[in-house]
Amino acid sequence: GESVGLHLPTLSVQEGDNSIINCAYSNSASDYFIWYKQESGKGPQFIIDIRSNMDKRQGQRVTVLLNKTVKHLSLQIAATQPGDSAVYFCAEIPPYNTDKLIFGTGTRLQVFP
Amino acid sequence: DAGVIQSPRHEVTEMGQEVTLRCKPISGHDYLFWYRQTMMRGLELLIYFNNNVPIDDSGMPEDRFSAKMPNASFSTLKIQPSEPRDSAVYFCASSGRGVDIQYFGAGTRLSVL
Repeated sequence: GESVGLHLPTLSVQEGDNSIINCAYSNSASDYFIWYKQESGKGPQFIIDIRSNMDKRQGQRVTVLLNKTVKHLSLQIAATQPGDSAVYFCAEIPPYNTDKLIFGTGTRLQVFP
Repeated sequence: DAGVIQSPRHEVTEMGQEVTLRCKPISGHDYLFWYRQTMMRGLELLIYFNNNVPIDDSGMPEDRFSAKMPNASFSTLKIQPSEPRDSAVYFCASSGRGVDIQYFGAGTRLSVL
């Protein structure tokens, strides 16, 4: 079935460095993508979204890049802070059901001093 | 708005008992989603509602699971009888419309002994 592929690595970065979290999606017709952050003991929290008519979108310290040619999303976090430590999920809305989000498996980001 | 509110936060029960999880969506949101999260399977969509009507329950694992939304401000997910393999974190989320950001509650951690 369709899925958002997100290998589950643990990304360890030093405080102050930039982080890049990657996500491969499978459906080339998906139109909308969202990044969520999930801290321990909490529900997923919206970070940033992007539609397929864009290739880049910036928020506060975060940037999402969309490469439709290779069906790849990335989330860049500038000047990573200890509070950024969490599991990050990408999610896509598939064309066959625009009510649903299909979540990837997540990447754990660890920030060390 | 207080966000999506779930109760209880933690539930410990014995195999065979009935479990009821509760959710209050964000006021004005038309969509409500129930998810289950486990280490093995990640985030799984169980069922979702639009304007209090169940739209897709294909993710409900079996007949032991049922969900209702009697009004726009309340939904329940019931497991009867519960089994140890139902142990997971259950999230409720709501969105203003289908193709939109979903906002998650803090989740209910269920342990079935």
